[in-house]
Order: sequence, then structure tokens, then C-alpha cells
Amino acid sequence: DAKTTQPNSMESNEEEPVHLPCNHSTISGTDYIHWYRQLPSQGPEYVIHGLTSNVNNRMASLAIAEDRKSSTLILHRATLRDAAVYYCIRNRGKLIFGQGTELSVKP
Amino acid sequence: SAVISQKPSRDICQRGTSLTIQCQVDSQVTMMFWYRQQPGQSLTLIATANQGSEATYESGFVIDKFPISRPNLTFSTLTVSNMSPEDSSIYLCSVETGHSYEQYFGPGTRLTVT
Repeated sequence: DAKTTQPNSMESNEEEPVHLPCNHSTISGTDYIHWYRQLPSQGPEYVIHGLTSNVNNRMASLAIAEDRKSSTLILHRATLRDAAVYYCIRNRGKLIFGQGTELSVKP
Repeated sequence: SAVISQKPSRDICQRGTSLTIQCQVDSQVTMMFWYRQQPGQSLTLIATANQGSEATYESGFVIDKFPISRPNLTFSTLTVSNMSPEDSSIYLCSVETGHSYEQYFGPGTRLTVT
């Protein structure tokens, strides 16, 4: 079971930081934590991944709890183009998508 | 990363017919995947397609209904056979690159069965 738990929806204001939480309490030691997002009418887009340490890239930051049972995707300054469904996935070589968090961004 | 194209981008088909969807990637990849996204739903993995071996299907999906070919490291096809309206979905292919399993997705094929 590759289940993760995310809030169904979140709201943000434009140009403010957004913290998207994910619970993966049954994660095993070799599972990567991946985040993808799906903009309307597009295929999913890879955002970031990590194993144990916090990670940063040009799109976002990923903060992983020390016990690895939860993680948080951080968008430092939300824009209207960040409105999407964000999926947190335990990656064991194949992606099992949950329902994700639908992020809306208000101007 | 990888650039992935799919053909057709959309189609409307009659029930009982079959449609073959093509997925082309701009670099050689070992792992390719096919997903289905039903209206308003999340993605569901159909199968994993490795070059040189039979596709591995997820629970609820069978080869007779969704035959897959993987003739080389840059190309794969998914056929949706004997279609019914319940097959109306977006079908997406993806490829895996990198050592930590990140995947890149094609734009999808929107299928409507009437």
C-alpha cells in the first residue's frame, strides 16, 4: 500500500508562501518522496523529490520530517500559474497517485 | 528530463472499435508507463512497459483489453480494445529518468467513446 494523505484543497494568496503537507506514516526506508503537480488540461509535471534531507530546486523546496513520516512542499511565492493539483507520492519504482491537494491562488 | 509526444491528442470513437495510442520520447529510456485518468479523477497506472519484455499490468487491467507494444527504447503504443463508453478517459504515457525514479509525462490522449 503506497498510501499518502493530503488535504483535499488549499487556498493561497498570490506572492505569499504556500506549505502543502503530506502524511506518509508507513513509508519504508528506501521509498523516495516525490511531488508532482497537474495544471488544468495538462499531464502531471515533476516538481521535486527527496529521500531524507531537505531539497531545493528552482520550482520549490521539500522539507522532510526527521522520521520521514511526513513532508511539506513549499512554494516560496505563489503565482496564479501555480494553481494546480499537487500529488505527494511514495515512489517505489512506480507512481501510485492519490487524490492530491487542489491549490487555488487568489490574486 | 525528457520530451514526450502522444498521438492522437484526442479522438472520438464508436463503441466496439479499437484505438491505438502512440507515445514517442526524445531520448532512450528503459521504463515507460501508461496511465488512465477518468473524468474528474486522479491518475491510475495501467501498466509498465519495458523494452524487450512483456508489459506488467496493474490489478484490474488485462492485456486483452489494453495490449501494449514496446519495440524500442523511444517508442510505445497502447491499444484500447473493444471500447465502451466507460473507456472514455485521458490516457497518458510517462517515462522514468534518473536514479531516483522521477517520471515525465506526455500531454495525454483524450478519448471519447460514443
